[in-house]
Amino acid sequence: QKEVEQNSGPLSVPEGAIASLNCTYSDRGSQSFFWYRQYSGKSPELIMFIYSNGDKEDGRFTAQLNKASQYVSLLIRDSQPSDSATYLCACWGTSGTYKYIFGTGTRLKVLA
Amino acid sequence: EAQVTQNPRYLITVTGKKLTVTCSQNMNHEYMSWYRQDPGLGLRQIYYSMNVEVTDKGDVPEGYKVSRKEKRNFPLILESPSPNQTSLYFCASSQTGATQPQHFGDGTRLSIL
Repeated sequence: QKEVEQNSGPLSVPEGAIASLNCTYSDRGSQSFFWYRQYSGKSPELIMFIYSNGDKEDGRFTAQLNKASQYVSLLIRDSQPSDSATYLCACWGTSGTYKYIFGTGTRLKVLA
Repeated sequence: EAQVTQNPRYLITVTGKKLTVTCSQNMNHEYMSWYRQDPGLGLRQIYYSMNVEVTDKGDVPEGYKVSRKEKRNFPLILESPSPNQTSLYFCASSQTGATQPQHFGDGTRLSIL
């Protein structure tokens, strides 16, 4: 089992819809969770981070964390074609270390 | 401007010829890290450093070395590169702590023939 799992996609949603991206992790000791967006050929850029159970909202983005189910999600409201990218989920602090573990990413396509 | 600078951006070299990829950050961050990104495998951490003279292995350290003699610099050294190290490499930095996001460099595309 991979430590951080994401569906590779592509996930296709129409413009204006809500895109829901999911991530599961295996290490219950993971302390914090990050969502990065990566355009093709570019470096990852931070969208949001979350470390407490529940929801965290920032503009059109909402991160959700459920530690009991070891599940992190990212919702993108009013999706735009410019949101088309690969979204990477990352966990920090796995197994009591200072390592980051990334998922393989979900490719999102927002159709105009 | 806050940034993480990697050099070179592109490099084609041959098996066995030692190379160094430099990484420098101007944000006074304690934590620095190297990743490689391969299709289907995502970002994998090679080494990380919590501070000067403190380094530790990530998930794929074999064939790589790092050093952290100064806070701002974290070079990645391939002593004897092999074709399976052909990849896209990213350096990143952050403040230490569970809630600190990483800032990534622009990446180095390395091809080893």
